[in-house]
Amino acid sequence: EIVLTQSPGTLSLSPGERATLSCRASQSVSSSYLAWYQQKPGQAPRLLIYGASNRATGIPDRFSGSGSGTDFTLTISRLEPEDFAVYYCQRYGSSPTWTFGQGTKVEIK
Amino acid sequence: EVQLVESGGGLVKPGGSLRLSCAASGFTFSSYGMSWVRQAPGKGLEWVSFISESRTYIYYADSVKGRFTISRDNAKSSLYLQMNSPRAEDTALYYCARVHYRAYAFDIWGQGTMVTVSS
Repeated sequence: EIVLTQSPGTLSLSPGERATLSCRASQSVSSSYLAWYQQKPGQAPRLLIYGASNRATGIPDRFSGSGSGTDFTLTISRLEPEDFAVYYCQRYGSSPTWTFGQGTKVEIK
Repeated sequence: EVQLVESGGGLVKPGGSLRLSCAASGFTFSSYGMSWVRQAPGKGLEWVSFISESRTYIYYADSVKGRFTISRDNAKSSLYLQMNSPRAEDTALYYCARVHYRAYAFDIWGQGTMVTVSS
């Protein structure tokens, strides 16, 4: 079973700063099936990135995804007040199954 | 507007049963695979089950296999989750989610329905 480990657990930053979130897989995964979500308190998750680097519909270009193999990154170029939230990576794989990372909380410093 | 609306959650006793529903609108429901994803209070996301567009493929997480049954009615644009023999650890907010046809990511989510398993 492939495990996704996100780091850091919490990221404390100020608006305007750059956020770099990591998602590491215990085995190589297909970048075609690696996604990122944003979840704000009391809300459903929202798809940000699919296929490791493709922004979903309506997602601002300050959000970008990169990576391959076992290491993937979500970057928020300049944090806006509405970006403070929890972020999850997720992969689709054989079995088939869908697996989520444990999440990274981006909080206001 | 593309929308998913879940219903049917509530309090259920361990060993009982509960049926969740998800009503879809604003898109061609029969063209998309659908899933249930849950989130225990204060915890992360856990995929529960998937059903393909024409019900050909159905998959479950090991944690619910043999107890939960996913189904769909394309004529009614509805998705269901039959929860049998629920356990305390099944207590969670259950989301209905549309599966992106190419990336197998969850591109549309409902607002969730809360299930509490307790005696």
